[in-house]
Amino acid sequence: NAGVTQTPKFQVLKTGQSMTLQCAQDMNHNSMYWYRQDPGMGLRLIYYSASEGTTDKGEVPNGYNVSRLNKREFSLRLESAAPSQTSVYFCASSEPSGRFYEQFFGPGTRLTVL
Amino acid sequence: AQKITQTQPGMFVQEKEAVTLDCTYDTSDPSYGLFWYKQPSSGEMIFLIYQGSYDQQNATEGRYSLNFQKARKSANLVISASQLGDSAMYFCAMRESLTDSWGKLQFGAGTQVVVTP
Repeated sequence: NAGVTQTPKFQVLKTGQSMTLQCAQDMNHNSMYWYRQDPGMGLRLIYYSASEGTTDKGEVPNGYNVSRLNKREFSLRLESAAPSQTSVYFCASSEPSGRFYEQFFGPGTRLTVL
Repeated sequence: AQKITQTQPGMFVQEKEAVTLDCTYDTSDPSYGLFWYKQPSSGEMIFLIYQGSYDQQNATEGRYSLNFQKARKSANLVISASQLGDSAMYFCAMRESLTDSWGKLQFGAGTQVVVTP
């Protein structure tokens, strides 16, 4: 059981470049989430997917798009990266019927936009 | 508006001593859950403890306990007998409404704990 996996672990982009962060979970969870972590601000929700086929905006969605490819995979796309998107990105998954509706986090992707 | 407030940006604690990390929250939802996560320097998010708004007793998990004061909207984490491996960033988080929130979490800014020998 790998849990939640994210690729890549590190990425450096130039302003205006695009990229997709990949996330997959093998726990058969229905809900998946993308957060960003910035110093002094904790984690903030970018987008979430309550179940396969649905996605919705979180607290800070501007500049991002998501795709729930199937039950396992939830990707985050930056179409035109900006320095303000320099952050650590975490993917998480959870199951409504699970203990506490607990979220399980991936290892994170550290993104720098120059 | 900030829903989770952690007022201690950082603190030092001596090994084997207990430490209390403060967390206050703001919600009008009668059904909510409170979580504490640990983030060591390696970066992963580790779940520590959970308290539901309707739970009658304070949650405990090994050396971690949660001092839940519902009327004061406070959910402080107590780490007993601190160890060097407890040095990390600690986040308090809240999930509002079990049925409507789709499990979304709102996080505080975190408290950096350094355990000294």
